[in-house]
Amino acid sequence: NAGVTQTPKFQVLKTGQSMTLQCAQDMNHNSMYWYRQDPGMGLRLIYYSASEGTTDKGEVPNGYNVSRLNKREFSLRLESAAPSQTSVYFCASSAPDRVRYEQYFGPGTRLTVT
Amino acid sequence: AQTVTQSQPEMSVQEAETVTLSCTYDTSESDYYLFWYKQPPSRQMILVIRQEAYKQQNATENRFSVNFQKAAKSFSLKISDSQLGDAAMYFCACPYSGNTPLVFGKGTRLSVIA
Repeated sequence: NAGVTQTPKFQVLKTGQSMTLQCAQDMNHNSMYWYRQDPGMGLRLIYYSASEGTTDKGEVPNGYNVSRLNKREFSLRLESAAPSQTSVYFCASSAPDRVRYEQYFGPGTRLTVT
Repeated sequence: AQTVTQSQPEMSVQEAETVTLSCTYDTSESDYYLFWYKQPPSRQMILVIRQEAYKQQNATENRFSVNFQKAAKSFSLKISDSQLGDAAMYFCACPYSGNTPLVFGKGTRLSVIA
């Protein structure tokens, strides 16, 4: 049981390049999330998907797009990377039930945009 | 608006001593869960403890316990018999409403002194 997996673990991009961060979970969870973590800012929600086929903006969606490919997979795309997107990105999943919104996290992706 | 506030950016504790990390929150829910997550240097987010808001009894997990004051919207984490492995960032999290994901505080960095 791998839980939540993310690829890649590290990435360096030049300004203007694009890339997709991949996330997959094998816990049969309905909901998936993308966060970014910056020093002193905690975890800020970028986008989330409450269920397969739906996506919603979080606190900091500008410059990002997401795709909920199926129940297992939720990808985050940077179309034209900017230095302000240098951050650590976390994917998480949850199964809203009696322990509502308890989230399980992937290992994170450290992205540097130069 | 900040709905989860951790007022202590950094804390330190001597090994074997007790430390309390503070968290206050705001929510429109009456029935909800609160969470403390730990993030060690490995970056992995680990659930430490959860509290059900409708339960009077404070949650306990081994050396970790909470002091939950629902009326005051306060949810502090107490770590007893601190160990070197407890050194990490600690995040408090709570849902703002039933239809939105968890909101995370900005975190408290805990250092453990040998």
